[in-house]
Amino acid sequence: ILNVEQSPQSLHVQEGDSTNFTCSFPSSNFYALHWYRWETAKSPEALFVMTLNGDEKKKGRISATLNTKEGYSYLYIKGSQPEDSATYLCAFGAGSYQLTFGKGTKLSVIP
Amino acid sequence: DGGITQSPKYLFRKEGQNVTLSCEQNLNHDAMYWYRQDPGQGLRLIYYSQIVNDFQKGDIAEGYSVSREKKESFPLTVTSAQKNPTAFYLCASSILGTGFYNEQFFGPGTRLTVL
Repeated sequence: ILNVEQSPQSLHVQEGDSTNFTCSFPSSNFYALHWYRWETAKSPEALFVMTLNGDEKKKGRISATLNTKEGYSYLYIKGSQPEDSATYLCAFGAGSYQLTFGKGTKLSVIP
Repeated sequence: DGGITQSPKYLFRKEGQNVTLSCEQNLNHDAMYWYRQDPGQGLRLIYYSQIVNDFQKGDIAEGYSVSREKKESFPLTVTSAQKNPTAFYLCASSILGTGFYNEQFFGPGTRLTVL
């Protein structure tokens, strides 16, 4: 079973602060890295699917970078808003149809 | 509206009983997945199916069974052989393509409690 680590496990930020968190994954046999946002009482929703080393993707105030050689991805949120409060999951694809998920980073944005 | 439905939202069963969780999608996706979430754990794959009448075991398939008789439906049966069935179960689907390159779309989940 592959090991996908996310840090921190949780964090609290003030509204307007920018924040970032990390997903670490095996650097070998890389195919794809997914980021999902999971709001309380809702279904997880895809943010990004990243496949190339050096990939940078952006959706509004949220962006992500990917380093496949060293095995990490960063998710950045600029100017956090209360509606950004959610658990952010990353998932690693290593050549099968399976994704291996991390435990998530729970973000709470304080108004 | 296209999406994935899971029913019921909450399910209670007595120990030793089999129970079937429903998952239906109208996204015309070929691939479907079942995950389990436990407190403090990441989503863990139970089973997945790439096409009708075909499915593969995930990391934690023991004590579970699935069927894929229709493209739209992928029910999961939690059998009495599953040692710790109380958990939150998520169903997902994606276009087939090359599997891991495609985002997965998730249902709302079913929380199963075995008494």
